[in-house]
Amino acid sequence: QSVLTQPPSASGTPGQRVTISCSGTSSNIGSNTVNWFQQLPGTAPTLLIYSDNQRPSGVPDRFSGSKSGTSASLAISGLQSEDEADYYCATWDDTLNGWVFGGGTKLTVL
Amino acid sequence: EVQLVESGGGLVQSGGSLRLSCAASGFSFSAYSMDWVRQAPGRGLEWVSHIGVSGTPTYYADSVKGRFTISRDNAKSSLSLQMNSLRAEDTALYYCVRDWTANNSPTFDLWGQGTLVTVSS
Repeated sequence: QSVLTQPPSASGTPGQRVTISCSGTSSNIGSNTVNWFQQLPGTAPTLLIYSDNQRPSGVPDRFSGSKSGTSASLAISGLQSEDEADYYCATWDDTLNGWVFGGGTKLTVL
Repeated sequence: EVQLVESGGGLVQSGGSLRLSCAASGFSFSAYSMDWVRQAPGRGLEWVSHIGVSGTPTYYADSVKGRFTISRDNAKSSLSLQMNSLRAEDTALYYCVRDWTANNSPTFDLWGQGTLVTVSS
């Protein structure tokens, strides 16, 4: 059981907008910034969003992040087939003194 | 090229030991904290351990505390993970990860390709 809670799956059709939620507590999301990682099939994860809503260079602006209280969200607009991947949220936990991840959300592009 | 390359994975019996290594290149290794993150087959990501730029502080997930030891050699741009008393549940792909802090916000901005550890019971 992961410390951060994500839906196990999400789906959408090309061009649609989808959102993935990440729920935590005051000791993790409530106190620290949230990161999102994308893991394409058979590859290592890559950084998608850091500091709640910042995109590293090279990440399309179709990807956006937001946070409110102890929850965060990843939004993907203009969905494309190449977005089909697993998505993970992560942050530092002040009580556990370590990083915590969500269980991951498998995004399917129908 | 900026990269992290892990090595040292393999098949080991339950109760055995293994030492993972990570070779960093293309960036100033000594300027970054580093972490290990693992992923069991078909499962999600699990943080394992963290080490600061000079070797301290170190942090461990409860699941590995007392069994795993993280260390680094800045002169050789290398990161290590000594794993003792291995259990079947330690079976996973182990990723070496660069820990970058931007505006007081830490993140994992560079990942290796991983090295597979299989613990047989």
